[in-house]
Amino acid sequence: QKEVEQDPGPLSVPEGAIVSLNCTYSNSAFQYFMWYRQYSRKGPELLMYTYSSGNKEDGRFTAQVDKSSKYISLFIRDSQPSDSATYLCAAGGGAGSYQLTFGKGTKLSVIP
Amino acid sequence: SAVISQKPSRDICQRGTSLTIQCQVDSQVTMMFWYRQQPGQSLTLIATANQGSEATYESGFVIDKFPISRPNLTFSTLTVSNMSPEDSSIYLCSVDGRRNTEAFFGQGTRLTVV
Repeated sequence: QKEVEQDPGPLSVPEGAIVSLNCTYSNSAFQYFMWYRQYSRKGPELLMYTYSSGNKEDGRFTAQVDKSSKYISLFIRDSQPSDSATYLCAAGGGAGSYQLTFGKGTKLSVIP
Repeated sequence: SAVISQKPSRDICQRGTSLTIQCQVDSQVTMMFWYRQQPGQSLTLIATANQGSEATYESGFVIDKFPISRPNLTFSTLTVSNMSPEDSSIYLCSVDGRRNTEAFFGQGTRLTVV
């Protein structure tokens, strides 16, 4: 079992829709969680960073972490064609542990 | 966040040859990381490169195949040696963020081995 599981999609939504992207993880030591956005032929770009359970909002993006169920989510409101990309979740351990474990990524297409 | 430049951005190489990928950061960083991103797979950490010491390799990756240099705090290279088609992948350079927990990436090197 991979430590971070992510449905690869692809996911296709109409413009303006609310998008929900999800990952599950198995390692209880993970303490911080990230979402990356990767456009085609580009490197991953850090989108959201969360350290604890709860919600974190940044513009149209909301990251949600539920440590009790080991579930992390990214919500995109009012999705735009420019949001079309692959979204990767990542998780990392406690202090002194710099290694990140990534999901496989979910490919999202927002159709105008 | 740091600005990370990788060269080349892509290459097509013959099997049996080697390719060296360069990573330049616009600020001094303690740790630099090299990842591999294969189609349909997670990003996989190859090794961690600290300045002035040998790189630390993850399970499944060895120095003879992926030698790494880290001559200073802003630069690193990864060499993919004796390439085979199975080495076709995207190779990514990464550095720590301010919190030392998140990673920032270069644009990647898309390698195709024929």
